[in-house]
Amino acid sequence: QLQLQESGPGLVKPSETLSLTCTVSGGSISSSSYYWGWIRQPPGKGLEWIGSIYYSGSTYYNPSLKSRVTISVDTSKNQFSLKLSSVTAADTAVYYCASSIQASWFDPWGQGTLVTVSS
Amino acid sequence: AIRMTQSPSSFSASTGDRVTITCRASQGISSYLAWYQQKPGKAPKLLIYAASTLQSGVPSRFSGSGSGTDFTLTISCLQSEDFATYYCQQYYSYPSHFGGGTKVEIK
Repeated sequence: QLQLQESGPGLVKPSETLSLTCTVSGGSISSSSYYWGWIRQPPGKGLEWIGSIYYSGSTYYNPSLKSRVTISVDTSKNQFSLKLSSVTAADTAVYYCASSIQASWFDPWGQGTLVTVSS
Repeated sequence: AIRMTQSPSSFSASTGDRVTITCRASQGISSYLAWYQQKPGKAPKLLIYAASTLQSGVPSRFSGSGSGTDFTLTISCLQSEDFATYYCQQYYSYPSHFGGGTKVEIK
């Protein structure tokens, strides 16, 4: 059974780069069946899809964030990562990683990690 | 991009009520729609995919219907553990947007 766990700094300064890693257990990130995604949720607000990646490296990004987002995969560590550059307070959110069968629905999800952008 | 609009954004209901939440896509998405339940401080939980297929382990009081642009999530007999926020998500094409959410509160 797949399990996902986010990790990374909980506090990032404005204008810097937010970096998070999602570790996958219970299955291989190189499986041809899965895409791997990042979703975020600002405090008290709804869900926003950030982007997804296939093990081959193909990426798909939310156009509203595309200029600042990079998602990558490390098959040797069974991990995928998110980098969001030039962050502002508006990027403060709980960040979730999740798996997606053939670029479809998201299941399961990681528990989420709160990232606060503040000086 | 395909935008998803949920209605209502929130409402109050009582245990035992039958409740319906609506999700509308800005263009046709066939049946490429999922529903999630989220409780405070927790990650979203998949309830339904392919518009009407119940995820394993989800109680049968949850059901989904619709295709094209209009979809509904129905809870046939609301239980105390169902008070939560519900989101729809289209996966017909990227970007894979979520609806704005519907919060179901206790009356």
